[in-house]
Amino acid sequence: ILNVEQSPQSLHVQEGDSTNFTCSFPSSNFYALHWYRWETAKSPEALFVMTLNGDEKKKGRISATLNTKEGYSYLYIKGSQPEDSATYLCAFHTGNQFYFGTGTSLTVIP
Amino acid sequence: EAQVTQNPRYLITVTGKKLTVTCSQNMNHEYMSWYRQDPGLGLRQIYYSMNVEVTDKGDVPEGYKVSRKEKRNFPLILESPSPNQTSLYFCASSPQTGPHNEQFFGPGTRLTVL
Repeated sequence: ILNVEQSPQSLHVQEGDSTNFTCSFPSSNFYALHWYRWETAKSPEALFVMTLNGDEKKKGRISATLNTKEGYSYLYIKGSQPEDSATYLCAFHTGNQFYFGTGTSLTVIP
Repeated sequence: EAQVTQNPRYLITVTGKKLTVTCSQNMNHEYMSWYRQDPGLGLRQIYYSMNVEVTDKGDVPEGYKVSRKEKRNFPLILESPSPNQTSLYFCASSPQTGPHNEQFFGPGTRLTVL
């Protein structure tokens, strides 16, 4: 079983604040790292799939970076809005299997 | 509409009564997978399938069976459910098995075993 860790576990920010969270994963035999957004009462939805060391991906106000050599990825949200409130999951992909972290729960206070 | 469907969405059953949760995708995806979500734990992979007639165990396969006879369907079978299988279950699919393929998740099935 591979260990994928996310921090912090939860986060409360004011509307307009920028924030970031971390996903740590094994640095050996890297294949891909996925980020998903999971809103309450809905299903997880893909944000980014990252495969190369140094990768940076961006979608609107959300961006992610990847460091495969040291085994971490950061997710950034610029100017948080209430609609950004969700749990953000990362998943380490081995080529066959997926190993998910426990997620970071973000609450944006209006 | 491209989607992954699961049925039933909610199920309450008793220990030992065999049940099947269906999963179907209409996107011609090769890869399909089942997960369970429990409080304080991340999504844990139960079984996955790289293609028709190819299935493999994930991290938590005990007490579950799957089959992949057609590309679109990937049912999850609990032959003799027990209370520790009470959980939220998600089916997911992705186009191929390469690194760039994001997963598309179904709506989830909340199972309670009494």
